[in-house]
Order: sequence, then C-alpha cells, then structure tokens
Amino acid sequence: RKEVEQDPGPFNVPEGATVAFNCTYSNSASQSFFWYRQDCRKEPKLLMSVYSSGNEDGRFTAQLNRASQYISLLIRDSKLSDSATYLCVVNAHNQGGKLIFGQGTELSVKP
Amino acid sequence: AAGVIQSPRHLIKEKRETATLKCYPIPRHDTVYWYQQGPGQDPQFLISFYEKMQSDKGSIPDRFSAQQFSDYHSELNMSSLELGDSALYFCASSFQTKLGEQFFGPGTRLTVL
Repeated sequence: RKEVEQDPGPFNVPEGATVAFNCTYSNSASQSFFWYRQDCRKEPKLLMSVYSSGNEDGRFTAQLNRASQYISLLIRDSKLSDSATYLCVVNAHNQGGKLIFGQGTELSVKP
Repeated sequence: AAGVIQSPRHLIKEKRETATLKCYPIPRHDTVYWYQQGPGQDPQFLISFYEKMQSDKGSIPDRFSAQQFSDYHSELNMSSLELGDSALYFCASSFQTKLGEQFFGPGTRLTVL
C-alpha cells in the first residue's frame, strides 16, 4: 500500500466545471502537505501548500483533515490550461524532509 | 526569479556506462534533493544533502553516488548503467531542510540503450 493514495483518475471535465481531488496519507507523523501539478514530461511544480485551516488561491482551494489523514483540492471554473496531473505530496519531517508523492490524478479539461 | 538548473537535459548512454548529472540549486537554498521518475510512475526520492552533508537516503542503488559541493551544487554519479535506469531525474532545492517547500529543476532525461 502506498504511503500517499490518490483518486486514480483520469478526470475528464468540461470547461467551467468544478472538480475535486482527494488524497489520504498513512504516516501520522507527516507535517507538511502540498499539491503539485505536473505537465507531461515536465517537472512537478508547486501549486499550493495545504494548511490545517484550509487555504484558497484563486480558483483553487485546499483542505487538510489531520484526524482523518485526508487532503483535498478543489478547482472551480476549470480552464483548458488546468489539464495536467495533480500530485498529492507529503513531507514527513521525521524522514529527513523528503517528499512522498501520490501516484497522481490526471485531469483533462475539454472545451 | 532564478530556478533550479539541471544539466544535461537529455543524456543517452549504453549499458554499463557511467553518467554524471548536475544540479544548481536556487541561490541561498541550502538543501538539495534528487528524485527518479520512471515512465508512468510518481517521483521517488533518491538522496538529499543539507549544507553539503548527506541528510537522507532513499531507494538509491549502490551503483549511484552523489555529493554536494562548497558552492551548493550537487552531482549524481551513476555507474554500471542498466536499462532500468532510464528515467527522468529531478533535482529539487529548498531552504531549511524539513520545513521548506521544494522547487524542482527541469530534470535530466536519461535513456540507457
């Protein structure tokens, strides 16, 4: 079982749709949480950090539930440019700061 | 803003050859991480350095070694290359290990023939 599990996807949605990704992590010592996006054959790019209080950046909202070890990402008003793979990422500080990635969820936004 | 620089961007090698990948972190970042991403896989942590000392080690084969130099750039040395080493190799850097968000370089695509 992977340490970080995500919805398998792919998600195919029309422009303007709202889409939600979910993620669970197994290491209760995890302390930092992130969503990265990765375009085909490119490097992962930090989309946003995720805080216990929840945080929003434009059309993107991230939530963290430490009790359930659950992370979510909501994308509102999807754009064609949102098409990418979204990676749920955990940094367990007691593991030297390395990032542990989920397998990623592919999003395809269609016109 | 300056980003992480990796070189070369593409590398083709034969089996049993050696390869050296280079990474130049974002200025003032003190921690470098190496990740390997195989086709259709998520990135897997290989090794990290904080202030030029190895800080953590992941699933890095014994055939691979790495170091961080006084100018904070890092090199990943890969010997006795195997077909299965073909992958994207990313370097990431952060400021202050364990707490910092990591910023990735564009990667080196290694193909072993």
